[in-house]
Amino acid sequence: QVTLRESGPALMKPTQTLTLTCSFSGFSLTSTGMCVNWIRQPPGKALEWLAVIDWDDNEFYSPSLRTRLTISKDTSKNQVVLTMTNMDPLDTATYYCARIRGQLDDGFDVWGQGTMVTVSS
Amino acid sequence: QSVLTQPPSVSAAPGQKVTISCSGSSSNIGNNHVSWYQHLPGTAPKLLISENNKRPSGIPDRFSGSKSGTSATLGITGLQTGDEADYYCGTWDNSLNAHVFGTGTKVAVL
Repeated sequence: QVTLRESGPALMKPTQTLTLTCSFSGFSLTSTGMCVNWIRQPPGKALEWLAVIDWDDNEFYSPSLRTRLTISKDTSKNQVVLTMTNMDPLDTATYYCARIRGQLDDGFDVWGQGTMVTVSS
Repeated sequence: QSVLTQPPSVSAAPGQKVTISCSGSSSNIGNNHVSWYQHLPGTAPKLLISENNKRPSGIPDRFSGSKSGTSATLGITGLQTGDEADYYCGTWDNSLNAHVFGTGTKVAVL
């Protein structure tokens, strides 16, 4: 069974750096075609893709957030970490990690439950 | 700002059919597979359709997907109250080197 679970702080202050961890099981990020993505949804707004890291260490980022994001993986721990610098109240959202198995235009077939992050002074 | 455009809402009576459009460009839908997701409040999004028209295991055949040129469509037949949710299209954009989602469509069962 494939599962993903997000963890991180629920409350942050503006200008702080957010670190989110996606812990997964049931697959290996060393297997060809495997990717883990980060996606967020601000309250009342649409889904927004943030970043992806694949089995071959390729990384891609949302153009609008590229300068603030870093994605990394620890294959020995089955974890993917996303850091976002200079947090702002507009970054208040539910953050999800999700898997792609195959090409980058294949669907996100398994999602974590999401973790809500609130940015407030 | 989403690069894929969807209607804000669609509605129909139980048992009827709705279709949701997703309009993009040659850099995304025109040259890549489209996926569709159902998002119920308080839950994780669920993959309904991948690779334009493939249903993952467990997704009923009431849900269907198609693609033509730079647009894609999700169809839901035999509408049920449990289908009330937000629906999103998504694909890869070769110019942005990024995944893009649609603006989202709320389905209401009258």
